[in-house]
Amino acid sequence: EAGVVQSPRYKIIEKKQPVAFWCNPISGHNTLYWYLQNLGQGPELLIRYENEEAVDDSQLPKDRFSAERLKGVDSTLKIQPAELGDSAVYLCASSLVSLAGHGTNTGELFFGEGSRLTVL
Amino acid sequence: SQQGEEDPQALSIQEGENATMNCSYKTSINNLQWYRQNSGRGLVHLILIRSNEREKHSGRLRVTLDTSKKSSSLLITASRAADTASYFCAFVSNYQLIWGAGTKLIIKP
Repeated sequence: EAGVVQSPRYKIIEKKQPVAFWCNPISGHNTLYWYLQNLGQGPELLIRYENEEAVDDSQLPKDRFSAERLKGVDSTLKIQPAELGDSAVYLCASSLVSLAGHGTNTGELFFGEGSRLTVL
Repeated sequence: SQQGEEDPQALSIQEGENATMNCSYKTSINNLQWYRQNSGRGLVHLILIRSNEREKHSGRLRVTLDTSKKSSSLLITASRAADTASYFCAFVSNYQLIWGAGTKLIIKP
């Protein structure tokens, strides 16, 4: 079974340039997450999708970040324009069980390898 | 934000020794999960313990949960060089998944 696929693995851009990351979750996983991870830190949620619906985007800096999940499968995360402070690893994850569904328990998250962004 | 807290931040032990990492939280939880992250890679799920469970085992991993103290520990027995990684706890609270800052574990051969 294929895991979560992310691309590109590495991206170096000049500040003020746009950048986009792509994620293909595990087949059948309705929940998709985009996280940001700085060096030596835990993941920080940017946005969570249940199918096509963004159910938690409270931490997404909407002035420069945007995301979409067309047809409830693949997702893209875009930054325009990029700033120096956006340098980080962007992680995509998917899960079979929804955090919001069926009350109390959630299953594991499956992560991609991440996209490392360097803004110069 | 209501982040989990992990300690120690870093741990360096000899191969063959046991490694213990701790995670504390402040709210009520539904379950708590532990993940491993090798350098430059994504996170990999290790084990999940539900709020009504006190201990769980998986191979060389042992996880305990004390809801009265709002804490969990991850024990790796008979450590190997391949266990060198960062370990993160994550817990579900109010339909959100809250992450700790991680413990960096180094196993010396």
